[in-house]
Amino acid sequence: DVKVTQSSRYLVKRTGEKVFLECVQDMDHENMFWYRQDPGLGLRLIYFSYDVKMKEKGDIPEGYSVSREKKERFSLILESASTNQTSMYLCASSAEVDTQYFGPGTRLTVL
Amino acid sequence: KNEVEQSPQNLTAQEGEFITINCSYSVGISALHWLQQHPGGGIVSLFMLSSGKKKHGRLIATINIQEKHSSLHITASHPRDSAVYICAVTANYGGATNKLIFGTGTLLAVQP
Repeated sequence: DVKVTQSSRYLVKRTGEKVFLECVQDMDHENMFWYRQDPGLGLRLIYFSYDVKMKEKGDIPEGYSVSREKKERFSLILESASTNQTSMYLCASSAEVDTQYFGPGTRLTVL
Repeated sequence: KNEVEQSPQNLTAQEGEFITINCSYSVGISALHWLQQHPGGGIVSLFMLSSGKKKHGRLIATINIQEKHSSLHITASHPRDSAVYICAVTANYGGATNKLIFGTGTLLAVQP
């Protein structure tokens, strides 16, 4: 069974903290994605990766960075969290040109 | 203007009703996806289609490539169908990676 897991379902951090969100997939997929989801705006792509150590900016990369040291793991990093980064963060993975499989999401609150 | 537009944004139906959610897009695509998200839950892919029609249980998805339009139908709706339904397209950017462009979703509430 396809599985994408995210390190936390809920996370509360303070402004200025460094935040790590982890995503792991067990399907040997090449592509992995980080999105944020906000009411009225839908899902927006932050970063994606099509191979180990490869990354590309999505539509809203500012304030974020990513790391993909192993094929199964894709990390999203908020270098200095700000209140406007309070959101639902969703990770997804897919094979070459195929359905994306989503994780359960991490609801991040930055105080 | 968004490249993927869904209508309606909100929909309330009575149990048993036939439901239609519409999606229009303005870019060239290689595939269109219908996704479902339950409150507080993750996102599940319902359909990926590039032509014609697909059916899974009470759900039917159709696409008209010439008109750049897709519909998601739910027959004999049930309260457990209450969720956000999201249309997304894989745009023809020429790369190998399947970046998706998302609509803002349709919030469906089915009342018993």
